[in-house]
Amino acid sequence: RKEVEQDPGPFNVPEGATVAFNCTYSNSASQSFFWYRQDCRKEPKLLMSVYSSGNEDGRFTAQLNRASQYISLLIRDSKLSDSATYLCVVNKGGYQKVTFGIGTKLQVIP
Amino acid sequence: DVKVTQSSRYLVKRTGEKVFLECVQDMDHENMFWYRQDPGLGLRLIYFSYDVKMKEKGDIPEGYSVSREKKERFSLILESASTNQTSMYLCASSLPGASEQYFGPGTRLTVT
Repeated sequence: RKEVEQDPGPFNVPEGATVAFNCTYSNSASQSFFWYRQDCRKEPKLLMSVYSSGNEDGRFTAQLNRASQYISLLIRDSKLSDSATYLCVVNKGGYQKVTFGIGTKLQVIP
Repeated sequence: DVKVTQSSRYLVKRTGEKVFLECVQDMDHENMFWYRQDPGLGLRLIYFSYDVKMKEKGDIPEGYSVSREKKERFSLILESASTNQTSMYLCASSLPGASEQYFGPGTRLTVT
């Protein structure tokens, strides 16, 4: 089983739609979780950290389910500018290194 | 504004050449990383450094070495480039712990 698994997509959604991505991880000792965003031909940038209690930043909501070992990202009222690849990132159970998922591609259509 | 720079955006080298990829960060970060990114495989960690002269192997260190003589600079070395090392190489830096990583713009290396 891969350390971090994501559906690569693409997810094609109309503007204004709500879309959700899941990411599963295999190491139950993992403690830190993140979502990064990568635009085409650009470097990844942190979108948000994922906390145990869940967290929200504007139209974006991230949640952690430790029992089932997955994290999720919900995007409400999708904008054209949300089109990007979303990378799930999980630390290696206490180490400083992290593992990146392959990313989920989102295309928001007018 | 935080900044991670990489020496080249595009590089073309021949099989067997020695290749140096340089990365510099201006944030006084302890941690620095080298990844390669390939379609369908995502970002894979090559090497990691948590302090000057300290390094740890990542998931795919074979065929690569690194050097960190100064805190702000982390170099990736391909001793003898091969075609399967054609890839996008991304450098990143972070504070200690599994904290936010700041990436450079990447170097697209082609080995012919």
